Amino acid sequence: TQLLEQSPQFLSIQEGENLTVYCNSSSVFSSLQWYRQEPGEGPVLLVTVVTGGEVKKLKRLTFQFGDARKDSSLHITAAQPGDTGLYLCAGDGGTSYGKLTFGQGTILTVHP
Amino acid sequence: DTGVSQDPRHKITKRGQNVTFRCDPISEHNRLYWYRQTLGQGPEFLTYFQNEAQLEKSRLLSDRFSAERPKGSFSTLEIQRTEQGDSAMYLCASSHEDRYEQYFGPGTRLTVT
Repeated sequence: TQLLEQSPQFLSIQEGENLTVYCNSSSVFSSLQWYRQEPGEGPVLLVTVVTGGEVKKLKRLTFQFGDARKDSSLHITAAQPGDTGLYLCAGDGGTSYGKLTFGQGTILTVHP
Repeated sequence: DTGVSQDPRHKITKRGQNVTFRCDPISEHNRLYWYRQTLGQGPEFLTYFQNEAQLEKSRLLSDRFSAERPKGSFSTLEIQRTEQGDSAMYLCASSHEDRYEQYFGPGTRLTVT
């Protein structure tokens, strides 16, 4: 069974601060996806990383996939209240089916 | 290009009743997934279709749960004899078989009283 551990579970910061969310596993993933979810809504895809060591940037968000494809991180620079939400990492185990294994999520609150 | 849609968005039912949810995937996607999410947790995989074939079911999917995708387009998820433990957000996602990305619908929030 593949497991993904996300940390921290909760993060409460002031506007303008930087933060990093971690996603770790003992399993190798073919790809890893990051989602953001608002209360009462479905997850919205932010990025997919596929290659070990890959770094992708999306405005103030930087995503990194570990060299061994077992871990990933999300770094937000100069957080804004609009970044508030639940951040989820999800790994694709590489079977032909593509089902995702999710971490338990990080609840981020950015105070103005 | 419309996204994944789910209906209804909310469902309140009494214990023991049957409920059915519908998912309409992105039109060119041939893969469709159902996940369940409880409060404070990430989504958990339930079942998966490629075209009309159901290729995998999680052990989370008891015999009270059944899913169909009769023409390889929309899918339905039925829960028979609902229990309070079935209360959760039921999420549908779709993807193209040549791509990793899965796109989620808004979910159906089920409350069993």
